[in-house]
Amino acid sequence: EDQVTQSPEALRLQEGESSSLNCSYTVSGLRGLFWYRQDPGKGPEFLFTLYSAGEEKEKERLKATLTKKESFLHITAPKPEDSATYLCASAGGADGLTFGKGTHLIIQP
Amino acid sequence: EPEVTQTPSHQVTQMGQEVILRCVPISNHLYFYWYRQILGQKVEFLVSFYNNEISEKSEIFDDQFSVERPDGSNFTLKIRSTKLEDSAMYFCASRPSSEAFFGQGTRLTVV
Repeated sequence: EDQVTQSPEALRLQEGESSSLNCSYTVSGLRGLFWYRQDPGKGPEFLFTLYSAGEEKEKERLKATLTKKESFLHITAPKPEDSATYLCASAGGADGLTFGKGTHLIIQP
Repeated sequence: EPEVTQTPSHQVTQMGQEVILRCVPISNHLYFYWYRQILGQKVEFLVSFYNNEISEKSEIFDDQFSVERPDGSNFTLKIRSTKLEDSAMYFCASRPSSEAFFGQGTRLTVV
Protein backbone atom coordinates (compact mmCIF):
# COMPACT_ATOMS: atom_id res chain seq x y z
CA GLU A 1 0.00 0.00 0.00
CA ASP A 2 1.36 3.41 -0.98
CA GLN A 3 2.16 5.75 1.91
CA VAL A 4 2.98 9.45 2.03
CA THR A 5 4.15 11.17 5.21
CA GLN A 6 4.68 14.89 5.49
CA SER A 7 6.60 16.85 8.11
CA PRO A 8 6.33 19.07 9.94
CA GLU A 9 2.56 19.15 10.43
CA ALA A 10 2.71 22.88 11.00
CA LEU A 11 5.38 25.51 10.46
CA ARG A 12 5.40 29.16 11.41
CA LEU A 13 8.01 31.40 9.74
CA GLN A 14 8.79 35.07 9.67
CA GLU A 15 8.46 36.80 6.32
CA GLY A 16 11.74 36.28 4.44
CA GLU A 17 12.76 33.24 6.52
CA SER A 18 13.49 30.36 4.13
CA SER A 19 12.71 26.74 5.03
CA SER A 20 11.90 23.31 3.61
CA LEU A 21 8.92 20.98 3.86
CA ASN A 22 9.48 17.24 3.75
CA CYS A 23 7.51 14.48 2.06
CA SER A 24 8.56 10.85 2.58
CA TYR A 25 6.96 8.28 0.34
CA THR A 26 6.72 4.52 -0.01
CA VAL A 27 5.30 3.76 -3.43
CA SER A 28 5.56 0.74 -5.64
CA GLY A 29 6.31 1.93 -9.14
CA LEU A 30 6.28 5.70 -8.71
CA ARG A 31 4.62 7.34 -11.69
CA GLY A 32 4.83 10.85 -10.27
CA LEU A 33 5.20 12.88 -7.08
CA PHE A 34 2.94 15.91 -6.87
CA TRP A 35 2.84 19.06 -4.78
CA TYR A 36 -0.36 20.99 -4.26
CA ARG A 37 -1.29 24.11 -2.34
CA GLN A 38 -4.61 24.17 -0.47
CA ASP A 39 -6.19 27.30 0.96
CA PRO A 40 -8.88 26.94 3.67
CA GLY A 41 -12.18 25.67 2.26
CA LYS A 42 -10.74 25.35 -1.25
CA GLY A 43 -9.60 22.57 -3.53
CA PRO A 44 -5.96 21.59 -4.00
CA GLU A 45 -4.14 23.81 -6.49
CA PHE A 46 -1.50 22.08 -8.61
CA LEU A 47 2.10 23.25 -8.15
CA PHE A 48 4.59 20.65 -9.42
CA THR A 49 5.06 17.13 -10.74
CA LEU A 50 8.35 15.29 -10.28
CA TYR A 51 9.01 11.99 -12.02
CA SER A 52 12.52 10.81 -11.21
CA ALA A 53 15.19 11.15 -8.52
CA GLY A 54 17.35 14.22 -9.03
CA GLU A 55 14.62 16.19 -10.74
CA GLU A 56 13.97 19.78 -9.61
CA LYS A 57 11.27 22.26 -10.52
CA GLU A 58 10.84 25.92 -9.58
CA LYS A 59 8.02 28.42 -9.51
CA GLU A 60 8.52 31.85 -8.01
CA ARG A 61 9.66 31.32 -4.38
CA LEU A 62 9.06 27.55 -4.47
CA LYS A 63 11.39 24.78 -5.55
CA ALA A 64 10.56 21.09 -5.42
CA THR A 65 13.17 18.33 -5.41
CA LEU A 66 12.95 14.54 -5.47
CA THR A 67 15.10 11.68 -4.20
CA LYS A 68 14.31 7.96 -4.22
CA LYS A 69 12.57 8.20 -0.84
CA GLU A 70 11.74 11.86 -0.26
CA SER A 71 10.66 15.08 -1.81
CA PHE A 72 11.32 18.55 -0.48
CA LEU A 73 9.49 21.79 -1.09
CA HIS A 74 11.90 24.64 -0.49
CA ILE A 75 10.42 28.06 0.19
CA THR A 76 12.81 30.96 -0.32
CA ALA A 77 12.11 34.35 1.27
CA PRO A 78 8.41 33.59 1.80
CA LYS A 79 5.71 36.22 1.92
CA PRO A 80 2.46 36.19 3.93
CA GLU A 81 0.54 35.20 0.79
CA ASP A 82 2.48 31.92 0.77
CA SER A 83 0.55 30.90 3.89
CA ALA A 84 -1.44 27.75 3.07
CA THR A 85 -1.42 23.99 3.54
CA TYR A 86 1.01 22.28 1.20
CA LEU A 87 0.05 18.77 0.15
CA CYS A 88 2.28 16.06 -1.24
CA ALA A 89 0.74 13.22 -3.24
CA SER A 90 2.07 10.16 -5.02
CA ALA A 91 0.88 8.31 -8.09
CA GLY A 92 1.90 4.67 -8.00
CA GLY A 93 0.28 1.40 -8.86
CA ALA A 94 -3.23 2.63 -8.10
CA ASP A 95 -5.04 5.05 -10.36
CA GLY A 96 -5.80 7.67 -7.74
CA LEU A 97 -3.37 9.88 -5.86
CA THR A 98 -2.25 9.04 -2.33
CA PHE A 99 -2.04 12.22 -0.28
CA GLY A 100 -0.13 13.12 2.84
CA LYS A 101 -1.78 15.04 5.66
CA GLY A 102 -0.09 18.24 4.58
CA THR A 103 2.06 20.92 6.18
CA HIS A 104 0.17 23.94 7.45
CA LEU A 105 2.47 26.89 6.74
CA ILE A 106 2.01 30.31 8.32
CA ILE A 107 4.17 33.25 7.24
CA GLN A 108 4.09 36.11 9.68
CA PRO A 109 4.70 39.68 8.43
CA GLU B 1 -7.91 29.61 -17.73
CA PRO B 2 -9.99 26.40 -17.84
CA GLU B 3 -11.06 25.05 -14.48
CA VAL B 4 -13.03 22.22 -12.91
CA THR B 5 -16.41 23.50 -11.74
CA GLN B 6 -18.40 21.92 -8.91
CA THR B 7 -21.96 22.56 -7.76
CA PRO B 8 -23.33 23.14 -5.24
CA SER B 9 -20.61 24.67 -3.11
CA HIS B 10 -22.45 23.61 0.04
CA GLN B 11 -25.17 21.02 0.53
CA VAL B 12 -26.98 20.19 3.75
CA THR B 13 -29.01 17.00 3.77
CA GLN B 14 -30.81 14.81 6.25
CA MET B 15 -29.46 11.40 7.11
CA GLY B 16 -30.87 8.76 4.77
CA GLN B 17 -31.49 11.17 1.90
CA GLU B 18 -29.93 10.86 -1.52
CA VAL B 19 -27.57 13.56 -2.77
CA ILE B 20 -26.04 14.23 -6.17
CA LEU B 21 -22.86 16.24 -6.43
CA ARG B 22 -22.10 17.74 -9.80
CA CYS B 23 -18.88 18.48 -11.62
CA VAL B 24 -17.92 19.89 -14.99
CA PRO B 25 -14.36 18.71 -15.75
CA ILE B 26 -12.00 20.59 -18.02
CA SER B 27 -13.23 19.97 -21.54
CA ASN B 28 -10.31 18.14 -23.17
CA HIS B 29 -9.51 15.97 -20.15
CA LEU B 30 -10.07 12.23 -20.34
CA TYR B 31 -9.70 11.02 -16.75
CA PHE B 32 -12.09 12.03 -14.00
CA TYR B 33 -11.97 11.51 -10.25
CA TRP B 34 -13.80 12.01 -7.02
CA TYR B 35 -11.95 12.54 -3.75
CA ARG B 36 -13.17 13.44 -0.31
CA GLN B 37 -11.63 15.24 2.64
CA ILE B 38 -13.14 14.85 6.09
CA LEU B 39 -12.49 17.94 8.20
CA GLY B 40 -8.93 17.95 9.48
CA GLN B 41 -7.96 14.78 7.61
CA LYS B 42 -6.14 13.95 4.41
CA VAL B 43 -7.59 13.99 0.93
CA GLU B 44 -8.76 10.45 0.06
CA PHE B 45 -9.30 8.86 -3.33
CA LEU B 46 -12.82 7.56 -3.99
CA VAL B 47 -13.10 6.62 -7.66
CA SER B 48 -11.60 7.13 -11.09
CA PHE B 49 -13.53 7.16 -14.36
CA TYR B 50 -12.25 6.77 -17.89
CA ASN B 51 -13.90 6.02 -21.20
CA ASN B 52 -17.36 6.08 -19.64
CA GLU B 53 -16.67 3.51 -16.99
CA ILE B 54 -15.14 3.19 -13.53
CA SER B 55 -11.47 2.30 -13.84
CA GLU B 56 -10.73 2.03 -10.13
CA LYS B 57 -12.44 2.56 -6.78
CA SER B 58 -11.28 2.64 -3.20
CA GLU B 59 -12.66 0.75 -0.22
CA ILE B 60 -14.59 3.88 0.73
CA PHE B 61 -16.56 3.74 -2.53
CA ASP B 62 -19.13 1.13 -1.49
CA ASP B 63 -22.59 0.35 -2.88
CA GLN B 64 -23.95 3.60 -1.50
CA PHE B 65 -21.89 5.52 -4.05
CA SER B 66 -22.24 5.73 -7.81
CA VAL B 67 -20.83 7.93 -10.56
CA GLU B 68 -22.19 8.92 -13.92
CA ARG B 69 -21.26 10.95 -16.93
CA PRO B 70 -24.79 11.67 -18.16
CA ASP B 71 -23.69 13.85 -21.08
CA GLY B 72 -20.51 15.16 -22.69
CA SER B 73 -19.73 17.66 -19.97
CA ASN B 74 -21.11 16.66 -16.56
CA PHE B 75 -19.72 14.13 -14.10
CA THR B 76 -21.78 13.28 -11.03
CA LEU B 77 -21.33 11.53 -7.70
CA LYS B 78 -24.46 10.10 -6.10
CA ILE B 79 -24.73 8.99 -2.49
CA ARG B 80 -27.92 6.94 -2.15
CA SER B 81 -28.60 7.04 1.57
CA THR B 82 -26.38 9.51 3.36
CA LYS B 83 -24.87 8.84 6.77
CA LEU B 84 -23.47 11.28 9.29
CA GLU B 85 -19.97 10.07 8.48
CA ASP B 86 -20.41 11.11 4.85
CA SER B 87 -20.03 14.73 5.96
CA ALA B 88 -16.92 15.99 4.18
CA MET B 89 -15.60 18.11 1.34
CA TYR B 90 -15.96 16.28 -1.95
CA PHE B 91 -13.55 17.21 -4.72
CA CYS B 92 -13.85 16.43 -8.38
CA ALA B 93 -10.65 16.30 -10.40
CA SER B 94 -9.74 15.77 -14.03
CA ARG B 95 -6.51 15.28 -15.90
CA PRO B 96 -5.32 15.17 -19.49
CA SER B 97 -2.24 13.04 -18.78
CA SER B 98 -0.42 13.17 -15.45
CA GLU B 99 -1.37 16.31 -13.47
CA ALA B 100 -4.80 16.29 -11.85
CA PHE B 101 -6.68 19.57 -11.53
CA PHE B 102 -9.18 19.90 -8.73
CA GLY B 103 -12.41 21.78 -8.36
CA GLN B 104 -13.21 23.99 -5.38
CA GLY B 105 -15.25 21.25 -3.77
CA THR B 106 -18.73 20.66 -2.39
CA ARG B 107 -19.06 20.78 1.36
CA LEU B 108 -21.59 18.08 2.28
CA THR B 109 -23.13 18.29 5.71
CA VAL B 110 -25.35 15.40 6.81
CA VAL B 111 -27.59 16.19 9.77
